[in-house]
Amino acid sequence: KAGVTQTPRYLIKTRGQQVTLSCSPISGHRSVSWYQQTPGQGLQFLFEYFSETQRNKGNFPGRFSGRQFSNSRSEMNVSTLELGDSALYLCASSAGLAVTDTQYFGPGTRLTVL
Amino acid sequence: AQSVTQLGSHVSVSEGALVLLRCNYSSSVPPYLFWYVQYPNQGLQLLLKYTSAATLVKGINGFEAEFKKSETSFHLTKPSAHMSDAAEYFCAVSGNRGGSNYKLTFGKGTLLTVNP
Repeated sequence: KAGVTQTPRYLIKTRGQQVTLSCSPISGHRSVSWYQQTPGQGLQFLFEYFSETQRNKGNFPGRFSGRQFSNSRSEMNVSTLELGDSALYLCASSAGLAVTDTQYFGPGTRLTVL
Repeated sequence: AQSVTQLGSHVSVSEGALVLLRCNYSSSVPPYLFWYVQYPNQGLQLLLKYTSAATLVKGINGFEAEFKKSETSFHLTKPSAHMSDAAEYFCAVSGNRGGSNYKLTFGKGTLLTVNP
């Protein structure tokens, strides 16, 4: 079974631009979560989607948004990029919402904002 | 509110020695606890998880962790380190995922170095 895939793996943008990251969950998984990883702040929860509905959102500004499609694929968008948005963005999928449903992480998209 | 503190941002052991990575948590609800490992340029891989069943949890690659409520700890151990264990390890806590305030809260991570 293929794992979680994220595209692109690397991205370079300039301040003020916007970016869209994509995540394809493991086949059959309906929950997708997004995390931001930076050296200073560590791993921080962005949002979680289940069956196309955002269930939870972390403490990030409105420039960060996401959505989930009917095939469970998810995208996150960051508008008006800032230097501090440079990070590794990780996507995780799980079959459902039970705590026993393991979250499987993708390799991440490394975003560099210049 | 939930939080995790990992003691020691960097731990160095010799090959064959005991690995002990420390994690203390704070949670206002019964916690669920996890250890993840991250190899360079890769995502996170789940090592083990505590979901209120047995307090001693066995995971992959010979790792195990013990949930101690009285000490609010969930330390990760491995009896004998292998060179391939060198990676960054993250402890995480969450509440019930069915709840509206679910999220995984991670510690800052501990970088494990294994010396030959």
